[in-house]
Amino acid sequence: QSALTQPASVAGSPGQSIAISCTGTSGDVGAYNFVSWYKQHPGKAPEFIIYDVDKRPSGVSDRFSGSKSGNTASLTISGLQDEDEADYYCSSYTSSRTYVFGTGTKVTVL
Amino acid sequence: QVQLQESGPGLVKPSGTLSLTCTVSGASIINDVWWSTWVRQPPGKGLEWIGEIFHAGTTNYNPSLKSRVTFSIDTSKNQFSLRLDSVTAADTAIYYCASTIIPYTQGEHWGQGILLTVSS
Repeated sequence: QSALTQPASVAGSPGQSIAISCTGTSGDVGAYNFVSWYKQHPGKAPEFIIYDVDKRPSGVSDRFSGSKSGNTASLTISGLQDEDEADYYCSSYTSSRTYVFGTGTKVTVL
Repeated sequence: QVQLQESGPGLVKPSGTLSLTCTVSGASIINDVWWSTWVRQPPGKGLEWIGEIFHAGTTNYNPSLKSRVTFSIDTSKNQFSLRLDSVTAADTAIYYCASTIIPYTQGEHWGQGILLTVSS
């Protein structure tokens, strides 16, 4: 199974909104509404921020939102803050009853 | 508060077998609908899903690792384990365990990760 495709990097200024795309196939992202997103600071474990495409776990800021269109899911971070600087990964359930992660996106706050 | 802690050798010789254990505290993974996952991350690279095990013992593995990996659950210790055979340098990575009751996701509870190095 091939990793989902994410942009290598996205940058934005404090207060701006940015979006990170996650492109898969009709066998994963396009097949189910089971896309999750994780935030990872250097040297730390991933943090769960979105599941089922657009649901936020308890305690996650509403500045994070998710969506999906066809084979591409997206994570939007609104009101960008310094603490949002991290790596972000998407994950999707697949038709093979497995999961696949995205290639990862480094978010830089300018 | 649910906490996970990975444990294992840290260093394994090429062609050897890796065994890692994840100890869960703050919840009983056999009394609820828990999915437990192993994920790894080679140094400086992205996340790779290794597989998952359901509290009842059902497993799903990454096809690229399926021939070498085995998961198990020790209900008496509230632990789940990973065994990876015939390791090579390509298996050098930080290994994370994760658990959740939210289906179709790796979820919100993660261990801190353990670095496994394959070297002679």
